[in-house]
Amino acid sequence: DAGVTQSPTHLIKTRGQQVTLRCSPKSGHDTVSWYQQALGQGPQFIFQYYEEEERQRGNFPDRFSGHQFPNYSSELNVNALLLGDSALYLCASSWDRGNEQFFGPGTRLTVL
Amino acid sequence: AQSVTQLDSQVPVFEEAPVELRCNYSSSVSVYLFWYVQYPNQGLQLLLKYLSGSTLVESINGFEAEFNKSQTSFHLRKPSVHISDTAEYFCAVIFHSGGYQKVTFGIGTKLQVIP
Repeated sequence: DAGVTQSPTHLIKTRGQQVTLRCSPKSGHDTVSWYQQALGQGPQFIFQYYEEEERQRGNFPDRFSGHQFPNYSSELNVNALLLGDSALYLCASSWDRGNEQFFGPGTRLTVL
Repeated sequence: AQSVTQLDSQVPVFEEAPVELRCNYSSSVSVYLFWYVQYPNQGLQLLLKYLSGSTLVESINGFEAEFNKSQTSFHLRKPSVHISDTAEYFCAVIFHSGGYQKVTFGIGTKLQVIP
């Protein structure tokens, strides 16, 4: 079992650009949640996808959007990047919106 | 308001000494409680969780946490720490509200084990 995988590992973008991050859930999991972890902070919940729909959303602007595919993998898209979007983006998967979430290693996004 | 507080940003402790990492929450609804550990440049790993039942929960590597509803706390303890326990520890709470489960993390506590 490969666990939760995320790509890319690191990414450098400039302000105003757009970025797409990818996540493959743990085998058998159908729910994917995305978190933003700024330096020195705890993870902040962005949104959760289940059955290819956004089921819950945290306090993030519409510049943050996502998608879940039929194979349960997911993408996080961020438009019009700001310097403050620099963070570690974590993906977590679970079964049927369950409580036990398994986290991927994250994607480190740097916005210059 | 629903919130999670980890008062200690850093906790230095000598090897083989006991440690307690504190977590308090504020909630008017029922909760599930978790502790996650994050090693440098890695994602989060679930350490232990409280969903229901016994208020004392244990992990496989010697950590334990106790849910105290009256004090709204879920402190993490270990009687004797090892160098390999050096990491950042996050308390997380799921607040049950309106059919949705919102996960809120604390800001984390860095545990530094000193040889």
